[in-house]
Amino acid sequence: GAGVSQSPSNKVTEKGKDVELRCDPISGHTALYWYRQSLGQGLEFLIYFQGNSAPDKSGLPSDRFSAERTGGSVSTLTIQRTQQEDSAVYLCASSFSGTSLQETQYFGPGTRLLVL
Amino acid sequence: QQQVKQSPQSLIVQKGGIPIINCAYENTAFDYFPWYQQFPGKGPALLIAIRPDVSEKKEGRFTISFNKSAKQFSLHIMDSQPGDSATYFCAASKGGFQKLVFGTGTRLLVSP
Repeated sequence: GAGVSQSPSNKVTEKGKDVELRCDPISGHTALYWYRQSLGQGLEFLIYFQGNSAPDKSGLPSDRFSAERTGGSVSTLTIQRTQQEDSAVYLCASSFSGTSLQETQYFGPGTRLLVL
Repeated sequence: QQQVKQSPQSLIVQKGGIPIINCAYENTAFDYFPWYQQFPGKGPALLIAIRPDVSEKKEGRFTISFNKSAKQFSLHIMDSQPGDSATYFCAASKGGFQKLVFGTGTRLLVSP
């Protein structure tokens, strides 16, 4: 079965431009997460979608960042007016979100964003 | 505020050695502690996870030791192999389906 897929795999943009990053979760997974991994750093939580509930946006670093999830499946992370400090790998993960308390988050390969 | 502290930052061991990576957490509400393995250019993949009601969990050559009172947990890799060379992240969450708080990672190199 297919895993989490992300596109594009690499994105180079100029400072001030907007970018959109896409995530296709594993089919049937109701939870979807976005994380950011800066060079040499750990993963930083950005946003979490769970079914039809309001998303947990507590990790978004500024109002330039937004995300949506259409039809409970595909998600798009948008960064407006990109800055050089936005350069990082953006990782998407999904999980089943059933009743299990020990639930695995499956990560995609990430989108490597470079802001010049 | 870093809620999960991981050490060391990097580690070099010889083949067959037993690297140990340590993590400490602050939030006592955390009840799920996974370890992820990440190879260059790839996303992290779950290696092994533990809940605080057990003190140790083994899966193959990988063992998690958990000390609830000290709020610490560690990963041991038995009989390490060059193929284990990767970056390892500890993490914690309130329930596995909640957002993960990650440590800063440990880059492991296993020399042949």
